[in-house]
Amino acid sequence: GENVEQHPSTLSVQEGDSAVIKCTYSDSASNYFPWYKQELGKRPQLIIDIRSNVGEKKDQRIAVTLNKTAKHFSLHITETQPEDSAVYFCAATNSGAGSYQLTFGKGTKLSVIP
Amino acid sequence: NAGVTQTPKFQVLKTGQSMTLQCAQDMNHEYMSWYRQDPGMGLRLIHYSVGAGITDQGEVPNGYNVSRSTTEDFPLRLLSAAPSQTSVYFCASSYQGGPDQPQHFGDGTRLSIL
Repeated sequence: GENVEQHPSTLSVQEGDSAVIKCTYSDSASNYFPWYKQELGKRPQLIIDIRSNVGEKKDQRIAVTLNKTAKHFSLHITETQPEDSAVYFCAATNSGAGSYQLTFGKGTKLSVIP
Repeated sequence: NAGVTQTPKFQVLKTGQSMTLQCAQDMNHEYMSWYRQDPGMGLRLIHYSVGAGITDQGEVPNGYNVSRSTTEDFPLRLLSAAPSQTSVYFCASSYQGGPDQPQHFGDGTRLSIL
């Protein structure tokens, strides 16, 4: 099955700096890569996703890049703010080959220091 | 719309007891799934369903049963609770019959097994 590794497990940045979280996946046929944000004690919520036919996607201060050859994808947060502090999870799935499982990384705890 | 509703929010069980975690969605979503979240382990898939009457196992299915008699409901049953099942359980749903769509999570059920 799919295996997703996520790094780093913790990340501290100064407010206004950029943050980058990286994930690698094992199944070369995976074609959908979402990112979820989970604030303390809350539910995970989708912040951005990318499909395998796209190399980059941006939404205001958040961007995701995908390198299919290297089987890795990254989350970029620019101009970080204290409210960006949360745990971020990447995930991957290969929906086209009859796989109905979404596999998550172990998460990155991001702390933005005011 | 209420979205994805999980009950109960908190539960304490004794080893060997059984119980059912409830999950209901009012968005007419076909795909529903259950995850458990343990510290440092991310979200691990327990069971999933691509539509009413269809269920399948995820990464960590042992000790759990599910059924999907209606589109709206997807209960998770613990057959004989064990301390290793102490965790936070999340139910999620998405529009189409696969995980390659944004997942809508419930608020979670915090379960402690003594």
